[in-house]
Amino acid sequence: GQNIDQPTEMTATEGAIVQINCTYQTSGFNGLFWYQQHAGEAPTFLSYNVLDGLEEKGRFSSFLSRSKGYSYLLLKELQMKDSASYLCAVRDSNYQLIWGAGTKLIIKP
Amino acid sequence: SQTIHQWPATLVQPVGSPLSLECTVEGTSNPNLYWYRQAAGRGLQLLFYSVGIGQISSEVPQNLSASRPQDRQFILSSKKLLLSDSGFYLCAWTGTGSYSGANVLTFGAGSRLTVL
Repeated sequence: GQNIDQPTEMTATEGAIVQINCTYQTSGFNGLFWYQQHAGEAPTFLSYNVLDGLEEKGRFSSFLSRSKGYSYLLLKELQMKDSASYLCAVRDSNYQLIWGAGTKLIIKP
Repeated sequence: SQTIHQWPATLVQPVGSPLSLECTVEGTSNPNLYWYRQAAGRGLQLLFYSVGIGQISSEVPQNLSASRPQDRQFILSSKKLLLSDSGFYLCAWTGTGSYSGANVLTFGAGSRLTVL
């Protein structure tokens, strides 16, 4: 079966750096997405990786290793507004998105 | 620019009552449209998707149905709600170039359904 694994919850301190990991086992691979979802709101797109390596976008970076079935989202200079759930999703060989359950990130002052 | 509208934002319905959630997309034509459900503390579950008018694919057998009467309109319905239908329902769209590039999935604001 297809599976996406992420930690359920993480806690970090304002101003620090946090890395949220995602491992996947899917039928084929056509890209990996990270979304941010604040409580009670819809997910919003953060990043997309289809080739191995690091994609940097401001305070957020996303890394992909296709051979290891692994990605991480790196958040730098954490702010209180970064408290949210972070969803990892992989597009499989049928171009359908397989979603992880999300990682709830709690930022403490 | 493209926008997606979804309503109602919240609703409380008794068991056995009907349901209709509506979603429309503006600023694009022939989008791929999706209905997802998100139960509390769980991941997104794809319910239906549509690649064109009248074309509906169901991912999960259940008492829900979907329809696409117009190019940019997607409706989620039920004739009789169950307690287990409670959740956060999200409409989403992508462009038709699904097989190339990022083709990001963009979500509506969501509809929170509570069945009592």
